[in-house]
Amino acid sequence: KNEVEQSPQNLTAQEGEFITINCSYSVGISALHWLQQHPGGGIVSLFMLSSGKKKHGRLIATINIQEKHSSLHITASHPRDSAVYICAVPRGGGSNYKLTFGKGTLLTVNP
Amino acid sequence: NAGVTQTPKFQVLKTGQSMTLQCAQDMNHEYMSWYRQDPGMGLRLIHYSVGAGITDQGEVPNGYNVSRSTTEDFPLRLLSAAPSQTSVYFCASSTNPGQGWSGNTIYFGEGSWLTVV
Repeated sequence: KNEVEQSPQNLTAQEGEFITINCSYSVGISALHWLQQHPGGGIVSLFMLSSGKKKHGRLIATINIQEKHSSLHITASHPRDSAVYICAVPRGGGSNYKLTFGKGTLLTVNP
Repeated sequence: NAGVTQTPKFQVLKTGQSMTLQCAQDMNHEYMSWYRQDPGMGLRLIHYSVGAGITDQGEVPNGYNVSRSTTEDFPLRLLSAAPSQTSVYFCASSTNPGQGWSGNTIYFGEGSWLTVV
């Protein structure tokens, strides 16, 4: 069983819809990363969070350390949000150099 | 400020050949890592480094070698390429989180597409 599970694997939405992507993990962590990978491959860090909630533009990330669960929300989704969204947690010791990744959620937003 | 630079972007190798994927960062980051990404699987850690002169193995180190002689550079060497090493490779760098995690971000290179035939 993968240490990091994401759901759904695939998500198709209409422009303007509210999107939620979930991430559950089985190991104790001190922080979690949300990443975005666009077609063509480049990976960009969206959030790193250790508690509560963070917001950047239309993106909101929340984490519940006790329940080992995090969510990424996109408000007023747009076709340019189409990408793979990946959550990742540090393996053992809470360090950024050893991450375990979920398999990603492929989001497609149609106009 | 270029961030993390990976070269080459695309490479085709024959089985048994060796090559080096280059990774350089200009942010004075202590931490650098190499990952591979395969269809249907999450990124997996190959090797990592926590500073110049210090490297260690990740999940899938077999067939790969690394060294870290400077803070900036972290090359990944394929010793004798095999078709199973056909993958997309990503280099990443980040700072030491230290006492807290605020503002800590990971930077990835653009990826290197490697095909071994």
